[in-house]
Amino acid sequence: QVQLVESGGGVVQPGRSLRVSCAASGFTFRNYAMHWVRQAPGKGLEYMAVMSYDGSDKYYADSVKGRFTISRDNSKNTLYLQMNSLRPEDTAIYYCARDGPGTYLPDYWGQGTLVTVSS
Amino acid sequence: QSALTQPASVSGSPGQSITISCTGTSTDISDYNYVSWYQQHPDKAPKLMISEVSNRPSGVSNRFSGSKSGNTASLTISGLQPEDEADYYCGSYTGTYVFGTGTKVTVL
Repeated sequence: QVQLVESGGGVVQPGRSLRVSCAASGFTFRNYAMHWVRQAPGKGLEYMAVMSYDGSDKYYADSVKGRFTISRDNSKNTLYLQMNSLRPEDTAIYYCARDGPGTYLPDYWGQGTLVTVSS
Repeated sequence: QSALTQPASVSGSPGQSITISCTGTSTDISDYNYVSWYQQHPDKAPKLMISEVSNRPSGVSNRFSGSKSGNTASLTISGLQPEDEADYYCGSYTGTYVFGTGTKVTVL
């Protein structure tokens, strides 16, 4: 079965950096685009980024463009999100999700990892 | 891109049908069929309920159905059950990605 397990969240000071990871299993990772979506406490879903199956194409939401970088290692079945210059408003649960074939949108989601930006 | 507009809350009694709307800001939804719906129970990850406007993934109850008219997509839950109480989000791809504002469904 499809499994996505995020890790790397925690408490980080404003202005610092953090990298979260997503380990995938149960499907052929290298064949799928992958997404990052976040959810601030008590708020709705906010789209972050997507990377094509081979890493050649990326898309970022305007809110994180230039600060966040999505990447993947298909040999390790792992997706990453490098977050720089973090702000208190970046505090959220960060979910990775698999791209639904032909839909351009997520189908399977991980359980998320909480990132808290606070001094 | 601005979030898609959903009603903040919808409620119904067990056995009833409810419909959640998802309205775009321009012609985004009307021009594309890439609309998905997600169910999220408290402290859980979102779960895909409908993709490409009206396709129901394997394992999702046939009480859930999706449709689109003009720039508004809709999710209908028929035969409402207590376990349907959750937050629901639409999402669309129109060259950019955006989610809806979310709807809390309450089963009375």
